[in-house]
Amino acid sequence: DAGVIQSPRHEVTEMGQEVTLRCKPISGHNSLFWYRQTMMRGLELLIYFNNNVPIDDSGMPEDRFSAKMPNASFSTLKIQPSEPRDSAVYFCASSFSNQPQHFGDGTRLSIL
Amino acid sequence: GENVEQHPSTLSVQEGDSAVIKCTYSDSASNYFPWYKQELGKRPQLIIDIRSNVGEKKDQRIAVTLNKTAKHFSLHITETQPEDSAVYFCAASEAGTASKLTFGTGTRLQVTL
Repeated sequence: DAGVIQSPRHEVTEMGQEVTLRCKPISGHNSLFWYRQTMMRGLELLIYFNNNVPIDDSGMPEDRFSAKMPNASFSTLKIQPSEPRDSAVYFCASSFSNQPQHFGDGTRLSIL
Repeated sequence: GENVEQHPSTLSVQEGDSAVIKCTYSDSASNYFPWYKQELGKRPQLIIDIRSNVGEKKDQRIAVTLNKTAKHFSLHITETQPEDSAVYFCAASEAGTASKLTFGTGTRLQVTL
């Protein structure tokens, strides 16, 4: 049974470049969450979707960040333009109804 | 919004001893409290959770207690083993798991031989 699949696992890019992170939730799950993890700020919820609809994006740091969920099996988190302070591990998680959230393996992003 | 505080930030115990991690939350509407374990370089993994209609839940060496009046909950690990070494996060959520999880800042547990 495949878990939450994220790609890429690692991304190194120069500041100013566009970064796109991808997530495939567990089949049948109807909620999807994007988190950012840093040493300084811990694990922060950026945005979450329910049935492909964004419910709460209050954690998105600024307009440079955007997220989409065009269908039940795919979501993207985009940063444009990227900055060094965006360097972090980005996790995607999914859940079904009232069940626990399951995390993907994360994308380690480094902005030079 | 919800605020979750977690203590201690680091905890070192000898193998076989017990470990206790405590969390407090601010929103009395919170009704779901999961605990996640994160090993170095890995993803957070759910180890146990509790809902607000229950005061205690146990799964082998792991137990969680909840005091809704005081708005705090705790993770108890008994007979600790080296493989229990990891960072543990508590979290709180309203309206079940489809809603926002607010995480604590994590506790780094080190089990020494």
